[in-house]
Amino acid sequence: NAGVMQNPRHLVRRRGQEARLRCSPMKGHSHVYWYRQLPEEGLKFMVYLQKENIIDESGMPKERFSAEFPKEGPSILRIQQVVRGDSAAYFCASSPRLQGFPSNYGYTFGSGTRLTVV
Amino acid sequence: EDKVVQSPLSLVVHEGDTVTLNCSYEVTNFRSLLWYKQEKKAPTFLFMLTSSGIEKKSGRLSSILDKKELFSILNITATQTGDSAVYLCALNNNDMRFGAGTRLTVKP
Repeated sequence: NAGVMQNPRHLVRRRGQEARLRCSPMKGHSHVYWYRQLPEEGLKFMVYLQKENIIDESGMPKERFSAEFPKEGPSILRIQQVVRGDSAAYFCASSPRLQGFPSNYGYTFGSGTRLTVV
Repeated sequence: EDKVVQSPLSLVVHEGDTVTLNCSYEVTNFRSLLWYKQEKKAPTFLFMLTSSGIEKKSGRLSSILDKKELFSILNITATQTGDSAVYLCALNNNDMRFGAGTRLTVKP
């Protein structure tokens, strides 16, 4: 059981390019959560997805950011037209199902993707 | 490979009890260890530990790191129902590696 896999581990993008971050949840987990960690700050919730469904995107910036979790394949966090302020570590966590926040079944976190915008 | 193991996985206590949560780790090049409390959508930051033997304190919570034995503990004294949460330990070493968390339930 490989755990939550995030790739790439490090991503460098120039301003204006698109960044795609992938998260493969643990086997048997159907819920995915994305977080952003800015330097010197805690983890900030972005979006919570179930397969083919966005449950809560209240933490997601309204523009340039989108997320999906298709029926097959990993969850994708997409950032269009990246700016310097998007530089951060992005973490994904998964859980088997939800009973409130945090899930009573616990989260498993990935190791994150560090995005650097130059 | 870097590893973080938290224990116990869950714990049920009564208000007023003192609890100790454990986090042991294996790492190639240590930078820092962080503790978080997760009640709702996102974990909230509690402590960052970089040096052995120096206790960090915030109200009823305190934490200490032992770099020789490769573990950290988080203590909560005089627990309250509001302390009920999942407590996460994370190793910050270029990448961030989280433990599975300890679910603490404090009963009235």
